[in-house]
Amino acid sequence: ETGVTQTPRHLVMGMTNKKSLKCEQHLGHNAMYWYKQSAKKPLELMFVYSLEERVENNSVPSRFSPECPNSSHLFLHLHTLQPEDSALYLCASSQDLFEKLFFGSGTQLSVL
Amino acid sequence: ELKVEQNPLFLSMQEGKNYTIYCNYSTTSDRLYWYRQDPGKSLESLFVLLSNGAVKQEGRLMASLDTKARLSTLHITAAVHDLSATYFCAVDLALTQGGSEKLVFGKGTKLTVNP
Repeated sequence: ETGVTQTPRHLVMGMTNKKSLKCEQHLGHNAMYWYKQSAKKPLELMFVYSLEERVENNSVPSRFSPECPNSSHLFLHLHTLQPEDSALYLCASSQDLFEKLFFGSGTQLSVL
Repeated sequence: ELKVEQNPLFLSMQEGKNYTIYCNYSTTSDRLYWYRQDPGKSLESLFVLLSNGAVKQEGRLMASLDTKARLSTLHITAAVHDLSATYFCAVDLALTQGGSEKLVFGKGTKLTVNP
């Protein structure tokens, strides 16, 4: 148990669907992150939040929309995705910005 | 369930010395990553190891993979202060369970290289 919980673990969606990924951390951390891991490639940082404010957006398409309502929860809202968006989406948290990361188990997303 | 264990979790060493970080994992995998995290920064990919016996080197760092032993090592040669960072290994449990992919991280090894 890493203290970072992601749901759902698996998600299959069509290109016209709207879905959301959820991340919750029980560690009292101030920073949260979304990462994307495509097949056979290292991680790509997508979004960073510190104290509920977005501090980094690494040129992510607008069909991905993050939300951080409080320091314990992070969402990734998905709409009109493309098949190439199929990947493992990992949430992480750290005590403060870019300190040691603690990862969730990820959501395996398949876009049909 | 895939478990990934790194050791040591903390490592303090003198410049010029050699040391090895170990990453053990509990089930079959076809891919292992090493990442570096500098203080105040995000993860940086160092190595991707894809097969048994794979060895990759860059600068003072060399990574190897023994899939039979389920062990990867990250060897540091003649350490310098700039190598101070946290190093993570991550194991990819891909294509073995219903086609889905799962990446499991070790807890990280915090390396401090002292002058």
